[in-house]
Amino acid sequence: DVKVTQSSRYLVKRTGEKVFLECVQDMDHENMFWYRQDPGLGLRLIYFSYDVKMKEKGDIPEGYSVSREKKERFSLILESASTNQTSMYLCASSLHRGPGDTQYFGPGTRLTVL
Amino acid sequence: QKEVEQNSGPLSVPEGAIASLNCTYSDRGSQSFFWYRQYSGKSPELIMSIYSNGDKEDGRFTAQLNKASQYVSLLIRDSQPSDSATYLCAVNTGNTGKLIFGQGTTLQVKP
Repeated sequence: DVKVTQSSRYLVKRTGEKVFLECVQDMDHENMFWYRQDPGLGLRLIYFSYDVKMKEKGDIPEGYSVSREKKERFSLILESASTNQTSMYLCASSLHRGPGDTQYFGPGTRLTVL
Repeated sequence: QKEVEQNSGPLSVPEGAIASLNCTYSDRGSQSFFWYRQYSGKSPELIMSIYSNGDKEDGRFTAQLNKASQYVSLLIRDSQPSDSATYLCAVNTGNTGKLIFGQGTTLQVKP
């Protein structure tokens, strides 16, 4: 079974703090993705990565950065957290880049920025 | 802008009935289609994927794809209260590995 884990289920931070969200997959997947999910807005892609040290902007990259130093780990960084970044953050991974490849999701991190 | 559209619902069906969830997409080049189920407060989990026109069955679930009409649907037979969740339609439009998600349809199965 594919397993995608995220470092925290719930996180509370203050405005201006630097926040790290970690995601680890154990199936040697090439691709990893970060989404945020908000009521009424659905799942929105923040960043994704096809390989170690590679990253691509998604639909809403502003205010975020990412790091992929190892194949199994993909980190999302909020350089200076703001209240509008309060959201559910979901990490996903897929084996390859092909059209048929399934994305598998981690359990999510619910981030609250006060 | 490539789009995936779903009726947000809620769709309410009685226990034992067939639930029909629909999804339309805008990009004719779309190649693969996925249905995810998401329980409240949880992350999406894959139910089914479909790539060719026609029907694909897996237990109580049937996915239907019609590329000419650009829609994909999910039928749930013998609906159970445990099927109550939000169902997300996702479309892969090329060789990027990216998925475009609809906003989801909330299904309520009433005992």
